[in-house]
Amino acid sequence: AQTVTQSQPEMSVQEAETVTLSCTYDTSENNYYLFWYKQPPSRQMILVIRQEAYKQQNATENRFSVNFQKAAKSFSLKISDSQLGDTAMYFCAFMGSNAGGTSYGKLTFGQGTILTVHP
Amino acid sequence: KAGVTQTPRYLIKTRGQQVTLSCSPISGHRSVSWYQQTPGQGLQFLFEYFSETQRNKGNFPGRFSGRQFSNSRSEMNVSTLELGDSALYLCASSSTGREKSDTQYFGPGTRLTVL
Repeated sequence: AQTVTQSQPEMSVQEAETVTLSCTYDTSENNYYLFWYKQPPSRQMILVIRQEAYKQQNATENRFSVNFQKAAKSFSLKISDSQLGDTAMYFCAFMGSNAGGTSYGKLTFGQGTILTVHP
Repeated sequence: KAGVTQTPRYLIKTRGQQVTLSCSPISGHRSVSWYQQTPGQGLQFLFEYFSETQRNKGNFPGRFSGRQFSNSRSEMNVSTLELGDSALYLCASSSTGREKSDTQYFGPGTRLTVL
């Protein structure tokens, strides 16, 4: 079974600074997909960024980028120029692609990191 | 395009009762997944439906069930409610469901409180 670990329960950063959230995972699969989701206090879960394991290039979405280290099974999220609106719980999530059907529609989530951006 | 909608947003029930939650996916999305979110256990996968068929199921007791209709709307039902079922229930939809890696888009959730 896959597991996802976020070792930082809470992080804080000053507005306009850069912060990195850590995520490690464990899987025996070679092809899989990784995601970062953001859940603000309003509770709506929002996709931040997605990475396909077969792609060597790290995904980037505006101020958000990832450092994907496949051999180390590490998938960290870097937020540049932090904004007050980035305050939220951030979840790292894994989706496998095995042929056995056990991956259909199933995201495995880490425990989350609460990020607070201070003015 | 409208996002994923869930009704009701809040529910209060008592132990032993049953409850039905509804999820309407993004138009054109055919896959719907359900998750339970609690402070202690985090986010846990309940089940996934595609074209009215349950394709995958998490490790939850049989009291948790679901179904999907021909218009892709989905419902989940919890029977004989227990205090531990108090949680935020999230549903997520994805486009075709053919690819296991389809990105999931989440609804706002239904907050269930069991007294």
